[in-house]
Amino acid sequence: EVQLVETGGSLVQPGKSLKLTCATSGFTFSNAWMHWVRQSPEKQLEWVAQIKAKSNNYATYYAESVKGRFTISRDDSKSSVYLQMNSLKEEDTAIYYCTWGITTPVDYWGQGVMVTVSS
Amino acid sequence: QITLTQQAESLWVSPGEKVSITCRASQSLLYTDGKHYLSWYQQRPGQTTKALIYHASIRTDGVPTRFIGSGSGTEFTLSIEDVQPEDIALYYCLQTLKKPYTFGAGTKLELK
Repeated sequence: EVQLVETGGSLVQPGKSLKLTCATSGFTFSNAWMHWVRQSPEKQLEWVAQIKAKSNNYATYYAESVKGRFTISRDDSKSSVYLQMNSLKEEDTAIYYCTWGITTPVDYWGQGVMVTVSS
Repeated sequence: QITLTQQAESLWVSPGEKVSITCRASQSLLYTDGKHYLSWYQQRPGQTTKALIYHASIRTDGVPTRFIGSGSGTEFTLSIEDVQPEDIALYYCLQTLKKPYTFGAGTKLELK
């Protein structure tokens, strides 16, 4: 059974940093292309970032709204993917989901973790 | 970037009825492999988001046959026949033809 479990969400002040972790199981993580997707309080979904596998040189891609501030990374030995979020803004407030898929990039979703950016 | 428009914010339906949710793309989602890179997702409170349809019309494993995806080019529809109480949820379309991948704004299915 595929499982994706996000942790690390918190209330943080604008300008601060936070790192999210997604622990996975149930599939061959080392071959997987992983994604982060977020959902605003208004329920709008936004694709945030992707990291490909070692065979693809761990290539990364970002939404324009987070480029230069967020960094996606992975540890294949731990079957985990991370999202380092720096210079956080109030508009980054959202539920963050880790996703993976075969037929689409987001066949499987975690339960999500809440990030609130507020002073 | 490709914009997806789900015009209906909410749709009201009675159990047993048929309902259709539309999604319009700002450009064709047809790739050179002949497939449309449009998929549909269901969000129910307290549950993980569920993939329903991919390549516009193919049901994901385990999805009931009452969920039907159709459309081509820029116009797509998710139809639910014989709506069940457990189908009350938020529904989103997603394009994965080009990055950044983009979602529609979502359609909330509610009971009359």
